[in-house]
Amino acid sequence: DAGVIQSPRHEVTEMGQEVTLRCKPISGHDYLFWYRQTMMRGLELLIYFNNNVPIDDSGMPEDRFSAKMPNASFSTLKIQPSEPRDSAVYFCASSMGGTVELFFGEGSRLTVL
Amino acid sequence: AQRVTQPEKLLSVFKGAPVELKCNYSYSGSPELFWYVQYSRQRLQLLLRHISRESIKGFTADLNKGETSFHLKKPFAQEEDSAMYYCALRRITQGGSEKLVFGKGMKLTVNP
Repeated sequence: DAGVIQSPRHEVTEMGQEVTLRCKPISGHDYLFWYRQTMMRGLELLIYFNNNVPIDDSGMPEDRFSAKMPNASFSTLKIQPSEPRDSAVYFCASSMGGTVELFFGEGSRLTVL
Repeated sequence: AQRVTQPEKLLSVFKGAPVELKCNYSYSGSPELFWYVQYSRQRLQLLLRHISRESIKGFTADLNKGETSFHLKKPFAQEEDSAMYYCALRRITQGGSEKLVFGKGMKLTVNP
């Protein structure tokens, strides 16, 4: 297995544009997590899914952020409209059975100008 | 509040020196703690968890409930230990959801 796959690896966009980040979890994993990493705040959990159902989205910063998991092998994190303060590295992680061991993707580095 | 604190952001030592990466937590329930590591150009990955009580790559970590700490230790650091280290706490919310809460991380540099 290639592990958790995220795309794009790097994204540079202008304020106000829509950004879509994509994630393919490890096959067979039933949990999927979206984290955001910044220098100031470290790694923050945004939302997580269990069996494609959003369980806890209390970390989603505001309505500009949305996440979906239409099937077991794909998830998206969308920011619309994007703002410079959204600049960060966004990680997707998947696991089997919960939070005992998370497997992370390589991250998507977002820069909003 | 339930949180994880890594009080030091940077630690630089020479090869062969002992290292201790500090982690403190606050949690009202029974804590479950982990150390994750990110080597240069690699993914963030699990290093060890306190329940396993294992030594991985020479690292150990003991949960001290009295001091609410979970420090990561290695008696003789190697250059390949240079990485970012994150302490994490498994937290179960009142609503039943479970979260892995991370500290802000600490960069360890082991010099030759």
